[in-house]
Amino acid sequence: DSGVTQTPKHLITATGQRVTLRCSPRSGDLSVYWYQQSLDQGLQFLIHYYNGEERAKGNILERFSAQQFPDLHSELNLSSLELGDSALYFCASSVLPGGEPISGETQYFGPGTRLLVL
Amino acid sequence: AQKITQTQPGMFVQEKEAVTLDCTYDTSDPSYGLFWYKQPSSGEMIFLIYQGSYDQQNATEGRYSLNFQKARKSANLVISASQLGDSAMYFCAMREAGGATNKLIFGTGTLLAVQP
Repeated sequence: DSGVTQTPKHLITATGQRVTLRCSPRSGDLSVYWYQQSLDQGLQFLIHYYNGEERAKGNILERFSAQQFPDLHSELNLSSLELGDSALYFCASSVLPGGEPISGETQYFGPGTRLLVL
Repeated sequence: AQKITQTQPGMFVQEKEAVTLDCTYDTSDPSYGLFWYKQPSSGEMIFLIYQGSYDQQNATEGRYSLNFQKARKSANLVISASQLGDSAMYFCAMREAGGATNKLIFGTGTLLAVQP
């Protein structure tokens, strides 16, 4: 158990709908990362939050948004869902001491949310 | 641009034998970190081992060791005394220090099957 929690574990929804994925980082971790794992794209970085502020964006669609709340949990909002959004969505957390990126920062992953868009 | 290459889509190994999973990387940054993660069939991503670009010695964590050859830009994972529970997908990943993002770049993974 990494200490990172994600809910829900599974989500089935229809095209055009909106869903919210929730992540609670490990105790003491200020950084939350979101990744998408799909069969055709592999594991891709979506977005990074540090202590409530957006730090970096990856290949995140405009239909997707995220935020990190004062209690450090994070939510990933996916809207106008398409079939191609079906994937495993991970959040990962890390300590990121000092707030500055270091090569050795280890990210610990949650169990993931498996999204199926029908 | 950063890139991680895992050329072995799948591998078999006999229980109790050692196995090496290949990973090569490409980066222009002198400071970077290399990671290996394990993804069992249940789906979670489990951190296994880390190697820093300036580390003088190869990283080891229990039965896992990293064969780091900086000049060849390779960071192969060695699993000794394979167990049935080692059957999983293994991903090599890299991050660059000082970059604009803290993202991990992942390879395509290697599916390891341990046979009894």
